Amino acid sequence: GAVVSQHPSRVICKSGTSVKIECRSLDFQATTMFWYRQFPKKSLMLMATSNEGSKATYEQGVEKDKFLINHASLTLSTLTVTSAHPEDSSFYICSASKLSGESLDEQYFGPGTRLTVT
Amino acid sequence: AQRVTQPEKLLSVFKGAPVELKCNYSYSGSPELFWYVQYSRQRLQLLLRHISRESIKGFTADLNKGETSFHLKKPFAQEEDSAMYYCALSRNNNDMRFGAGTRLTVKP
Repeated sequence: GAVVSQHPSRVICKSGTSVKIECRSLDFQATTMFWYRQFPKKSLMLMATSNEGSKATYEQGVEKDKFLINHASLTLSTLTVTSAHPEDSSFYICSASKLSGESLDEQYFGPGTRLTVT
Repeated sequence: AQRVTQPEKLLSVFKGAPVELKCNYSYSGSPELFWYVQYSRQRLQLLLRHISRESIKGFTADLNKGETSFHLKKPFAQEEDSAMYYCALSRNNNDMRFGAGTRLTVKP
Protein backbone atom coordinates (compact mmCIF):
# COMPACT_ATOMS: atom_id res chain seq x y z
CA GLY A 1 0.00 0.00 0.00
CA ALA A 2 0.90 3.64 -0.28
CA VAL A 3 3.10 5.15 2.41
CA VAL A 4 2.80 8.57 3.96
CA SER A 5 5.43 9.89 6.31
CA GLN A 6 5.40 12.78 8.74
CA HIS A 7 8.30 14.64 10.25
CA PRO A 8 8.93 15.20 13.05
CA SER A 9 7.08 12.53 15.01
CA ARG A 10 7.38 14.58 18.19
CA VAL A 11 8.22 18.21 18.78
CA ILE A 12 8.35 20.37 21.85
CA CYS A 13 8.51 24.11 21.38
CA LYS A 14 8.22 27.22 23.47
CA SER A 15 5.18 29.42 23.43
CA GLY A 16 5.40 32.07 20.74
CA THR A 17 7.60 30.12 18.36
CA SER A 18 6.56 28.53 15.07
CA VAL A 19 6.71 24.86 14.21
CA LYS A 20 6.66 23.23 10.80
CA ILE A 21 5.36 19.72 10.23
CA GLU A 22 6.04 17.92 6.97
CA CYS A 23 3.84 15.34 5.31
CA ARG A 24 5.24 13.32 2.43
CA SER A 25 3.75 10.71 0.15
CA LEU A 26 6.66 8.35 -0.45
CA ASP A 27 5.55 6.21 -3.35
CA PHE A 28 2.74 8.04 -5.08
CA GLN A 29 1.81 11.51 -6.18
CA ALA A 30 -0.79 13.01 -3.92
CA THR A 31 -3.06 15.49 -5.62
CA THR A 32 -4.78 16.18 -2.33
CA MET A 33 -3.54 16.18 1.24
CA PHE A 34 -5.58 16.58 4.38
CA TRP A 35 -4.57 17.81 7.81
CA TYR A 36 -6.33 16.56 10.91
CA ARG A 37 -6.02 17.35 14.57
CA GLN A 38 -6.79 14.86 17.28
CA PHE A 39 -7.46 15.93 20.84
CA PRO A 40 -7.00 13.43 23.68
CA LYS A 41 -9.74 10.83 23.71
CA LYS A 42 -11.50 12.60 20.87
CA SER A 43 -11.86 11.88 17.20
CA LEU A 44 -9.93 13.33 14.31
CA MET A 45 -11.02 16.78 13.28
CA LEU A 46 -10.40 17.87 9.72
CA MET A 47 -8.52 21.16 9.71
CA ALA A 48 -7.93 21.78 6.03
CA THR A 49 -7.71 20.25 2.60
CA SER A 50 -4.89 21.19 0.29
CA ASN A 51 -4.52 20.57 -3.41
CA GLU A 52 -1.13 20.80 -5.04
CA GLY A 53 -0.41 24.25 -6.35
CA SER A 54 -3.46 25.95 -4.90
CA LYS A 55 -4.49 27.50 -1.61
CA ALA A 56 -5.73 25.24 1.14
CA THR A 57 -9.40 25.09 2.03
CA TYR A 58 -9.85 25.50 5.76
CA GLU A 59 -12.67 24.11 7.83
CA GLN A 60 -14.88 26.47 9.76
CA GLY A 61 -13.26 27.61 12.97
CA VAL A 62 -9.69 26.89 11.86
CA GLU A 63 -7.52 30.00 11.71
CA LYS A 64 -5.75 30.06 8.37
CA ASP A 65 -3.22 32.62 9.57
CA LYS A 66 -2.28 30.44 12.48
CA PHE A 67 -2.12 27.12 10.66
CA LEU A 68 -0.29 27.80 7.43
CA ILE A 69 -0.50 25.03 4.87
CA ASN A 70 1.69 24.76 1.83
CA HIS A 71 1.32 22.03 -0.78
CA ALA A 72 4.23 22.89 -2.99
CA SER A 73 4.63 19.57 -4.77
CA LEU A 74 2.72 16.37 -5.41
CA THR A 75 4.63 14.62 -2.64
CA LEU A 76 4.96 17.26 0.06
CA SER A 77 2.63 19.33 2.18
CA THR A 78 3.65 21.33 5.22
CA LEU A 79 1.69 22.61 8.17
CA THR A 80 3.22 25.50 10.08
CA VAL A 81 1.79 26.35 13.47
CA THR A 82 2.64 30.01 13.91
CA SER A 83 3.10 31.70 17.28
CA ALA A 84 2.25 28.48 19.03
CA HIS A 85 0.46 28.48 22.35
CA PRO A 86 -0.07 25.68 24.86
CA GLU A 87 -3.63 25.17 23.59
CA ASP A 88 -2.13 24.22 20.22
CA SER A 89 -0.61 21.16 21.83
CA SER A 90 -2.17 18.22 20.07
CA PHE A 91 -1.64 15.30 17.74
CA TYR A 92 -1.56 16.37 14.12
CA ILE A 93 -2.17 13.79 11.40
CA CYS A 94 -1.95 14.19 7.66
CA SER A 95 -3.36 12.00 4.95
CA ALA A 96 -2.76 11.92 1.23
CA SER A 97 -4.87 10.88 -1.68
CA LYS A 98 -4.85 10.95 -5.43
CA LEU A 99 -7.47 11.23 -8.09
CA SER A 100 -8.87 7.99 -9.40
CA GLY A 101 -11.13 8.89 -12.28
CA GLU A 102 -13.32 11.73 -11.10
CA SER A 103 -13.12 10.98 -7.40
CA LEU A 104 -10.38 10.70 -4.86
CA ASP A 105 -8.78 7.39 -4.10
CA GLU A 106 -8.36 6.04 -0.59
CA GLN A 107 -6.78 8.35 1.96
CA TYR A 108 -3.48 7.09 3.31
CA PHE A 109 -2.59 8.37 6.74
CA GLY A 110 0.69 9.47 8.17
CA PRO A 111 1.82 8.31 11.61
CA GLY A 112 1.08 11.69 13.19
CA THR A 113 3.08 14.38 14.95
CA ARG A 114 2.80 15.06 18.66
CA LEU A 115 3.19 18.79 19.30
CA THR A 116 3.74 20.03 22.82
CA VAL A 117 3.93 23.76 23.43
CA THR A 118 5.41 24.76 26.76
CA ALA B 1 -24.28 18.98 7.68
CA GLN B 2 -22.52 15.65 7.84
CA ARG B 3 -22.37 13.96 11.22
CA VAL B 4 -21.19 10.57 12.37
CA THR B 5 -22.15 9.08 15.72
CA GLN B 6 -20.53 6.13 17.40
CA PRO B 7 -22.54 5.66 20.57
CA GLU B 8 -20.10 3.32 22.30
CA LYS B 9 -16.70 4.62 23.39
CA LEU B 10 -15.69 1.26 24.78
CA LEU B 11 -16.73 -2.24 23.79
CA SER B 12 -15.44 -5.41 25.35
CA VAL B 13 -16.17 -8.96 24.18
CA PHE B 14 -14.67 -12.38 24.70
CA LYS B 15 -12.72 -14.15 22.01
CA GLY B 16 -15.02 -16.05 19.70
CA ALA B 17 -18.04 -13.93 20.51
CA PRO B 18 -19.83 -11.85 17.88
CA VAL B 19 -19.09 -8.16 17.84
CA GLU B 20 -20.98 -5.19 16.45
CA LEU B 21 -19.66 -1.66 16.47
CA LYS B 22 -22.43 0.82 15.89
CA CYS B 23 -22.29 3.81 13.59
CA ASN B 24 -25.10 6.17 12.69
CA TYR B 25 -24.83 9.10 10.35
CA SER B 26 -26.74 12.12 9.20
CA TYR B 27 -26.27 13.43 5.70
CA SER B 28 -28.74 14.77 3.19
CA GLY B 29 -27.01 13.47 0.08
CA SER B 30 -25.65 10.08 -0.95
CA PRO B 31 -22.93 9.25 1.54
CA GLU B 32 -19.81 7.21 1.24
CA LEU B 33 -19.18 5.37 4.47
CA PHE B 34 -15.92 3.95 5.75
CA TRP B 35 -14.54 2.10 8.70
CA TYR B 36 -10.98 2.89 9.77
CA VAL B 37 -8.96 0.94 12.32
CA GLN B 38 -6.02 1.97 14.44
CA TYR B 39 -4.09 -0.80 16.14
CA SER B 40 -1.91 -0.01 19.11
CA ARG B 41 1.05 2.20 18.13
CA GLN B 42 0.12 2.05 14.44
CA ARG B 43 -1.31 4.58 12.08
CA LEU B 44 -4.90 4.84 11.05
CA GLN B 45 -5.75 2.58 8.13
CA LEU B 46 -8.78 1.86 6.05
CA LEU B 47 -10.63 -1.29 7.05
CA LEU B 48 -13.47 -1.23 4.56
CA ARG B 49 -15.74 1.05 2.58
CA HIS B 50 -19.37 0.43 1.80
CA ILE B 51 -19.07 0.78 -1.97
CA SER B 52 -16.65 -2.11 -2.24
CA ARG B 53 -18.95 -4.49 -0.35
CA GLU B 54 -16.06 -6.66 0.67
CA SER B 55 -15.16 -8.44 3.87
CA ILE B 56 -11.84 -7.57 5.44
CA LYS B 57 -10.40 -9.64 8.27
CA GLY B 58 -13.84 -11.15 8.72
CA PHE B 59 -15.50 -7.76 9.22
CA THR B 60 -18.51 -6.65 7.21
CA ALA B 61 -20.61 -3.53 7.26
CA ASP B 62 -23.88 -2.90 5.50
CA LEU B 63 -25.17 0.53 4.70
CA ASN B 64 -28.76 0.84 5.89
CA LYS B 65 -30.12 4.03 4.41
CA GLY B 66 -33.48 3.64 6.16
CA GLU B 67 -31.86 3.55 9.57
CA THR B 68 -28.92 5.73 8.46
CA SER B 69 -26.55 3.21 9.94
CA PHE B 70 -23.32 1.52 8.94
CA HIS B 71 -22.63 -0.93 11.73
CA LEU B 72 -19.44 -2.99 11.66
CA LYS B 73 -19.85 -6.68 12.43
CA LYS B 74 -17.76 -9.76 12.90
CA PRO B 75 -19.22 -13.14 13.86
CA PHE B 76 -16.23 -14.38 15.86
CA ALA B 77 -13.95 -11.79 17.42
CA GLN B 78 -10.23 -12.47 17.75
CA GLU B 79 -7.78 -10.97 20.23
CA GLU B 80 -5.91 -9.26 17.42
CA ASP B 81 -9.06 -7.34 16.60
CA SER B 82 -8.51 -5.23 19.70
CA ALA B 83 -8.07 -1.70 18.38
CA MET B 84 -9.67 1.68 17.99
CA TYR B 85 -12.33 1.78 15.27
CA TYR B 86 -13.56 4.93 13.57
CA CYS B 87 -16.57 5.26 11.35
CA ALA B 88 -16.28 7.99 8.73
CA LEU B 89 -18.44 9.64 6.10
CA SER B 90 -17.48 11.64 3.06
CA ARG B 91 -18.39 12.71 -0.41
CA ASN B 92 -16.00 11.27 -2.97
CA ASN B 93 -13.50 10.54 -0.17
CA ASN B 94 -13.20 14.26 0.34
CA ASP B 95 -13.98 16.22 3.51
CA MET B 96 -13.99 13.13 5.65
CA ARG B 97 -15.95 13.32 8.91
CA PHE B 98 -14.99 10.90 11.61
CA GLY B 99 -16.99 9.53 14.50
CA ALA B 100 -15.60 9.68 18.00
CA GLY B 101 -14.30 6.14 17.78
CA THR B 102 -14.95 2.91 19.65
CA ARG B 103 -12.21 1.09 21.49
CA LEU B 104 -12.74 -2.63 21.06
CA THR B 105 -11.13 -5.00 23.51
CA VAL B 106 -11.29 -8.72 22.84
CA LYS B 107 -10.57 -10.69 25.95
CA PRO B 108 -9.09 -14.21 25.85
